[in-house]
Amino acid sequence: SQTIHQWPATLVQPVGSPLSLECTVEGTSNPNLYWYRQAAGRGLQLLFYSVGIGQISSEVPQNLSASRPQDRQFILSSKKLLLSDSGFYLCAWSPQGGKGYNEQFFGPGTRLTVL
Amino acid sequence: SQQGEEDPQALSIQEGENATMNCSYKTSINNLQWYRQNSGRGLVHLILIRSNEREKHSGRLRVTLDTSKKSSSLLITASRAADTASYFCATHGAGSYQLTFGKGTKLSVIP
Repeated sequence: SQTIHQWPATLVQPVGSPLSLECTVEGTSNPNLYWYRQAAGRGLQLLFYSVGIGQISSEVPQNLSASRPQDRQFILSSKKLLLSDSGFYLCAWSPQGGKGYNEQFFGPGTRLTVL
Repeated sequence: SQQGEEDPQALSIQEGENATMNCSYKTSINNLQWYRQNSGRGLVHLILIRSNEREKHSGRLRVTLDTSKKSSSLLITASRAADTASYFCATHGAGSYQLTFGKGTKLSVIP
C-alpha cells in the first residue's frame, strides 16, 4: 500500500531563516506531487505541483521554491522566511495519468510558525 | 481564487441525525471531490464524483452533483461523534492539474 510521509511535524523558525520541508511517498512510482498551504480556518492553496523529476510548476508567486530530486521525494524550501509564511503545509500525491483527474492522498502536514 | 464554496460554514447536530453540506462552484469541472480533515491533521479523501455522474454513495456518505446549478451536496447519514471534522469540496477543472478547495464546513456531532 502507498504511504506518504512529511517532516518535521512542527517547526518554529525566526524571520529570515531558511526552510526545508520534506515529503516522501512509498509504494507507488512516478506520482504527481503537490505542496499546499492552509492558513488558519481556511481552505487549501496550491503552491507547487510536479509531474516528474525536476519538473516543477508554481501556482502562486511567493517566497518559496520546490524541488523534486527523486521520483518520490518533494522538497519545499525558502532562503529567508517571512512572517506570512506561517501556516500548515501539506504534501499530497496522486496517480499519474488522466491529467491529474484523480483523488489526492495527503500527508500529515507540517505546522510552521515564523516568529 | 477559491472556486468551491461550502455552506454552511459550521454545522452542529446530535449524534444519529443526518448532516448535509453544500458546495457551489463557478466554472466547468472534470470532477468534484469531498475531503475530511480532523483538527490539525492531513486531509482524507472521501469520494470523487465525475461531471457526468449525478449521485454517488460510499457507506454512510451520499454525494450529489448538479452541473446545471454548479452545485454539489454531501449527506452523512446516522452521524457519529467520530464524524466531527471539517469537510471540504474540491474541484478539478478541465485540462488542469489544480485541485481547487473551498473553505470548508466545520461539522460538530454532539454525543
